[in-house]
Amino acid sequence: DVKVTQSSRYLVKRTGEKVFLECVQDMDHENMFWYRQDPGLGLRLIYFSYDVKMKEKGDIPEGYSVSREKKERFSLILESASTNQTSMYLCASSPLGLAGGPDTQYFGPGTRLTVL
Amino acid sequence: AQRVTQPEKLLSVFKGAPVELKCNYSYSGSPELFWYVQYSRQRLQLLLRHISRESIKGFTADLNKGETSFHLKKPFAQEEDSAMYYCALSSASFPYNFNKFYFGSGTKLNVKP
Repeated sequence: DVKVTQSSRYLVKRTGEKVFLECVQDMDHENMFWYRQDPGLGLRLIYFSYDVKMKEKGDIPEGYSVSREKKERFSLILESASTNQTSMYLCASSPLGLAGGPDTQYFGPGTRLTVL
Repeated sequence: AQRVTQPEKLLSVFKGAPVELKCNYSYSGSPELFWYVQYSRQRLQLLLRHISRESIKGFTADLNKGETSFHLKKPFAQEEDSAMYYCALSSASFPYNFNKFYFGSGTKLNVKP
């Protein structure tokens, strides 16, 4: 079974704090993703990575950065947290598909971040 | 531009009734379509993908390229089907080019007893 774990289920931070969200997968997947999930908006891609040290911006990268120093770990960083970053954050990983693009995504349990 | 539309935010049906969750997409190439489900207090997980043509938990989905739709159907809904359902698209094209997943905004299915 693929296992994707996230460092915290719930996190409360103050405006202006630097926040680190960690994600680890144990299936040697090439691709990893960070989404935020908001009611009525679905999942929106923040950043993704297709290899160690490689990263690409998603649809809403502003205010976020990422780090992938090891294949199994993908970190999301909020440089200076703001109240509009209060959300559920989902990490996902996927292997390469037959066509070379991403295959099925496997999700972590999510981190509910509240910024006060 | 790639886009996935789920027009219904909430769908309520009675147990035993048929259910159809709508999904429309816009994509100029040959997409791969998925349905993901999130049960209460559980992680998001794959329900089915069009390429495998499987029926999972009684659900089926047919890709209609003419109507650019990938609706999810089940003939007899069960209470345990109550969950949030997301339609997703991933492009699959040669030569290899990394592509993102695009998710719809989700439909909450409520199956009443």
